[in-house]
Amino acid sequence: GAVVSQHPSWVICKSGTSVKIECRSLDFQATTMFWYRQFPKQSLMLMATSNEGSKATYEQGVEKDKFLINHASLTLSTLTVTSAHPEDSSFYICSARWPGGSYEQYFGPGTRLTVT
Amino acid sequence: AQSVTQLGSHVSVSEGALVLLRCNYSSSVPPYLFWYVQYPNQGLQLLLKYTTGATLVKGINGFEAEFKKSETSFHLTKPSAHMSDAAEYFCAVSAGGGGNKLTFGTGTQLKVEL
Repeated sequence: GAVVSQHPSWVICKSGTSVKIECRSLDFQATTMFWYRQFPKQSLMLMATSNEGSKATYEQGVEKDKFLINHASLTLSTLTVTSAHPEDSSFYICSARWPGGSYEQYFGPGTRLTVT
Repeated sequence: AQSVTQLGSHVSVSEGALVLLRCNYSSSVPPYLFWYVQYPNQGLQLLLKYTTGATLVKGINGFEAEFKKSETSFHLTKPSAHMSDAAEYFCAVSAGGGGNKLTFGTGTQLKVEL
């Protein structure tokens, strides 16, 4: 159990376009999901906390108008990178919090975004 | 605020040798501590966690870690390395539970040599 998927696993887009990344908890309901960004050979940096039915909470320095997060259901959160630029190229990873006040997060396999 | 320091961005061991990956944390509240493993181009897999109680925690794949409050450390060990252990390892801390946001260390790349 506790499987989190991401789609797509990799995407290439042109500069100026938008791209949507989906994060799904397949076998549990997650009221809270997290979005991370990872540059090559670096650690994960939390971008935002996504709460079902409410606005996401963004970390300092993350542009909320550029990285749109929608947590429309208990099993799906989406991250849309708007007007993408080459510097947005990165590995994006989501995680979902196990329900019921637990302390565990389960991570998706990540999405490799390349902006040309 | 929390922070994590992982000493040694690269660690190399021989197959069968002891694995020791170091992690020190800073937290203003009792921490929850985690070790994750990441294989190339994949997400993170939880190895083990410390929340409360027993300070020596055992995880998957033969790994274990000991929470030492006096040293603010949570080092990861495995008695005998296997080739399949080669990966990136991240230590993470959460204040008030792992369900809250995690702060990750910079990671340690483990290489296992024959």
